[in-house]
Amino acid sequence: DTGVSQNPRHKITKRGQNVTFRCDPISEHNRLYWYRQTLGQGPEFLTYFQNEAQLEKSRLLSDRFSAERPKGSFSTLEIQRTEQGDSAMYLCASSQDREAFFGQGTRLTVV
Amino acid sequence: GQQVMQIPQYQHVQEGEDFTTYCNSSTTLSNIQWYKQRPGGHPVFLIQLVKSGEVKKQKRLTFQFGEAKKNSSLHITATQTTDVGTYFCAGPIVRGSTLGRLYFGRGTQLTVWP
Repeated sequence: DTGVSQNPRHKITKRGQNVTFRCDPISEHNRLYWYRQTLGQGPEFLTYFQNEAQLEKSRLLSDRFSAERPKGSFSTLEIQRTEQGDSAMYLCASSQDREAFFGQGTRLTVV
Repeated sequence: GQQVMQIPQYQHVQEGEDFTTYCNSSTTLSNIQWYKQRPGGHPVFLIQLVKSGEVKKQKRLTFQFGEAKKNSSLHITATQTTDVGTYFCAGPIVRGSTLGRLYFGRGTQLTVWP
């Protein structure tokens, strides 16, 4: 499968714990995006990278969230001190021009 | 900031009926994209509209971009059960020839009864 790959697919964590998600984009795509989606809503932009540079972060992204793309290939999204409100589907997408290709997402449940 | 609003939120139709979802932006869009998300799935790109008044067709799907580039619609003729899912419009910020952030509407969830 040469699409966008995300791991894990599901994560259940206790409130206050840290979690990290991984995204492997389509190999020739230089742009990588993170979105968050809750039930009944459209995907909400979090941040994006061009190669290894983080070009934009949403104001909604608190200091507990950090994303990296160290070598311009895969990316990680870390949430520190998780809260129940962080429960959502975290979607990664990659793009080469104007079309975004989404991964299957990581569903986070904070209990 | 930019907002993209979509109506209706839900639409239930019988197989064979038509379906339309509408998208409105608070600002003029450089272009608009449409995505489909099946239940339990991820958004899948359908199309991009760029020109004012543009109309594009994909089989039973017709996409329109308003003259003022602030609204768009997706019309499905003679729905089938395979059309079930949530349809999102998205207003992208395009930097040069590459895609910046996407502002998604809330989506229209389509249910088709056989």
